[in-house]
Amino acid sequence: SQKIEQNSEALNIQEGKTATLTCNYTNYSPAYLQWYRQDPGRGPVFLLLIRENEKEKRKERLKVTFDTTLKQSLFHITASQPADSATYLCALDIYGQNFVFGPGTRLSVLP
Amino acid sequence: DGGITQSPKYLFRKEGQNVTLSCEQNLNHDAMYWYRQDPGQGLRLIYYSQIVNDFQKGDIAEGYSVSREKKESFPLTVTSAQKNPTAFYLCASSPVGQISGGYTFGSGTRLTVV
Repeated sequence: SQKIEQNSEALNIQEGKTATLTCNYTNYSPAYLQWYRQDPGRGPVFLLLIRENEKEKRKERLKVTFDTTLKQSLFHITASQPADSATYLCALDIYGQNFVFGPGTRLSVLP
Repeated sequence: DGGITQSPKYLFRKEGQNVTLSCEQNLNHDAMYWYRQDPGQGLRLIYYSQIVNDFQKGDIAEGYSVSREKKESFPLTVTSAQKNPTAFYLCASSPVGQISGGYTFGSGTRLTVV
């Protein structure tokens, strides 16, 4: 069956460290993968999109990798800050028509 | 400011009652989506529409209905046939064929059955 997993439900790290979140999928062949940030009680906010032919994408302190052989994407936040605390969702495209979302990882950056 | 507006923010439904959640966007996006979010689960797609007067069922359409009479509006009705409607409902929009900017989401409606 098709499945999207994100490494853990919650991740705690110390301020200033690099946070690494994982998105693994099975039985999908996405051409695109997106990452979103969601704060409690709010809708997700789009952060980055990476295409299947791109190995890495960067935006400020964010870096995303996409390995279609491993069926995995890694999402890194460098020099993390308490303001980065949120839930992060990955999403895969389905035939370019819509996206299916993972369950999310709740990141807490401790001061 | 362009954006997507969901109302109400909180909604309470009695057993056997139909309720309608509003979603309006002024981004000129062709595609609109409804997702349901439950604790510990990812967003699950209820319905989506890529053009006015046309919409498609998502993974969990049973007990829900939608309409798309205007490009800007995509209301969702939660019918009495939906046995477990308590959840956080999210509406989103995007341009068709241009996904580089991702989806734009509204701020959600929290529906509770009382």
